[in-house]
Amino acid sequence: ETGVTQSPTHLIKTRGQQVTLRCSSQSGHNTVSWYQQALGQGPQFIFQYYREEENGRGNFPPRFSGLQFPNYSSELNVNALELDDSALYLCASSHRGGANTGELFFGEGSRLTVL
Amino acid sequence: AQRVTQPEKLLSVFKGAPVELKCNYSYSGSPELFWYVQYSRQRLQLLLRHISRESIKGFTADLNKGETSFHLKKPFAQEEDSAMYYCALTSQAGTALIFGKGTTLSVSS
Repeated sequence: ETGVTQSPTHLIKTRGQQVTLRCSSQSGHNTVSWYQQALGQGPQFIFQYYREEENGRGNFPPRFSGLQFPNYSSELNVNALELDDSALYLCASSHRGGANTGELFFGEGSRLTVL
Repeated sequence: AQRVTQPEKLLSVFKGAPVELKCNYSYSGSPELFWYVQYSRQRLQLLLRHISRESIKGFTADLNKGETSFHLKKPFAQEEDSAMYYCALTSQAGTALIFGKGTTLSVSS
């Protein structure tokens, strides 16, 4: 069974740039959620994708967008990067309803630094 | 508002001592509550959920609706319990987990 993989593991961008983060979900999972974890904070929900459509969104501006592909992998795109976007971005895959059962399987994250 | 509060950033105990990691929540209705753990250089993973009423690695957590708490307890801490612990609940919409800020547990010999 392949776990959740994320790429890249680390990246540095400058303010105003755009970034794309990628996530391959665990085998058998059809739902992908993205979380932002700032330093010293718990993960904060960005959005969830199910069947290639956004299925829930947290309190993040529209410059945070995503995609889910037919193979259930996903991308997180952030436009017009700001300094406060510096964080660890976590991808979690699950079956639909995973948030109700707590059965979210997390990747190791992509650490984004915005200068 | 849905919120999870973990009042302690760091909890340091000696091996063999009891451990209690505190979690309080704010939620309308009946929450689904969980504890997640992140060991050093490992990914975040589910430790236990209140609905299962199970003991995992010697840890238990009881939901107290009157006190809106879901504290994590272990009677005798082990060094391998050292990790970051996050309390979480399911959002009203059912699509997200709302996490607390986490508590670092440090167990020394």
